[in-house]
Amino acid sequence: KAGVTQTPRYLIKTRGQQVTLSCSPISGHRSVSWYQQTPGQGLQFLFEYFSETQRNKGNFPGRFSGRQFSNSRSEMNVSTLELGDSALYLCASRRPGLASYNEQFFGPGTRLTVL
Amino acid sequence: GESVGLHLPTLSVQEGDNSIINCAYSNSASDYFIWYKQESGKGPQFIIDIRSNMDKRQGQRVTVLLNKTVKHLSLQIAATQPGDSAVYFCAGVNYTGANSKLTFGKGITLSVRP
Repeated sequence: KAGVTQTPRYLIKTRGQQVTLSCSPISGHRSVSWYQQTPGQGLQFLFEYFSETQRNKGNFPGRFSGRQFSNSRSEMNVSTLELGDSALYLCASRRPGLASYNEQFFGPGTRLTVL
Repeated sequence: GESVGLHLPTLSVQEGDNSIINCAYSNSASDYFIWYKQESGKGPQFIIDIRSNMDKRQGQRVTVLLNKTVKHLSLQIAATQPGDSAVYFCAGVNYTGANSKLTFGKGITLSVRP
């Protein structure tokens, strides 16, 4: 079974630009979560999508948004990029429900650098 | 809000020794806890989990202990191997039906000396 894939793997943008990251979950996984990982703040939850609906959201500004398509693929968008948005953005997929966290799989991440 | 944090930023152990990684959490309503391992260039990988109604769970070479009284979680790795070198995260889940959120600790680097 193919794992979680994220594209692109690396991205360099400048301040003020916007960026869209893509995540393809494992087949059969309908829940997709996004996380931001930085050396200073660690791993922080951005949002989770299930059935094309945002189910939960972390404490990030409105510049961070996402969506999920009918095939469970998800995208996240960051508008008006700031230097502090430089991070590794991780996507994870699982089946919904508490018991499925032990079968949540992470992608390799997209490394975003904002100059 | 909930915070889940780790006591030490780095841990260096001799190959073959046992490793103990500790974690404290603040939200007593957390239903479920997970330990993850993250190797360089990869996303976090599930190691072991424990529900809040348990105090110990064992896996292959790993044991997780949960002390709800002091809100403390630990990961024990038996006979640590070079392949165990990675960053380890604890995470807590507050599950509310359809919605749940995974809150991660800061991470600790485990370095295994040959």
